[in-house]
Amino acid sequence: DGGITQSPKYLFRKEGQNVTLSCEQNLNHDAMYWYRQDPGQGLRLIYYSQIVNDFQKGDIAEGYSVSREKKESFPLTVTSAQKNPTAFYLCASSIRREPPYTGELFFGEGSRLTVL
Amino acid sequence: DQQVKQNSPSLSVQEGRISILNCDYTNSMFDYFLWYKKYPAEGPTFLISISSIKDKNEDGRFTVFLNKSAKHLSLHIVPSQPGDSAVYFCAASVTIGSGTYKYIFGTGTRLKVLA
Repeated sequence: DGGITQSPKYLFRKEGQNVTLSCEQNLNHDAMYWYRQDPGQGLRLIYYSQIVNDFQKGDIAEGYSVSREKKESFPLTVTSAQKNPTAFYLCASSIRREPPYTGELFFGEGSRLTVL
Repeated sequence: DQQVKQNSPSLSVQEGRISILNCDYTNSMFDYFLWYKKYPAEGPTFLISISSIKDKNEDGRFTVFLNKSAKHLSLHIVPSQPGDSAVYFCAASVTIGSGTYKYIFGTGTRLKVLA
């Protein structure tokens, strides 16, 4: 089945450590996105990428880094510079805007990162 | 600057009645508006969307209405079912470059459908 796979689902990290969250999609989508969800704050955009080897900062990119070496993969690294990394992280992808287009953003199941 | 706002954090509705979830936006350049349903510790599930050139879109029990002059959209669920209990997010997309789109989400409304 086609979809977006995020791993790990749960991750614990000590302060000062970097951690990388994996996101893989087999939907042949060009665009991929990373969001962070905190209680009461909805989903906030961290980084996004429209094509391979290109990505842009979202609204809360500080303390995060990404790469897009393959169309299928968009890993997110949470660095020690991120002040409040404990959150639920969601990866998403979207198709080209060709008819019939619904505007849909497809999501993975998420990864919960807890910093101890 | 919150471009997409959901001002009601929660809503309770009796089973069988109509649920109306509201969303306001500020950016007139948004071209698609979407509604997602989310359970804790899971990814959001797409429900329905509407293009900015339309004012209504219907899919089964779900109808989305768009009022561009008021920069307001709403999701109607009729009839509401206990399984509809979840957090609902409103989202909007905007084109920010050739083939580049950005999606902005509201803070969500928790719907509880009472049996």
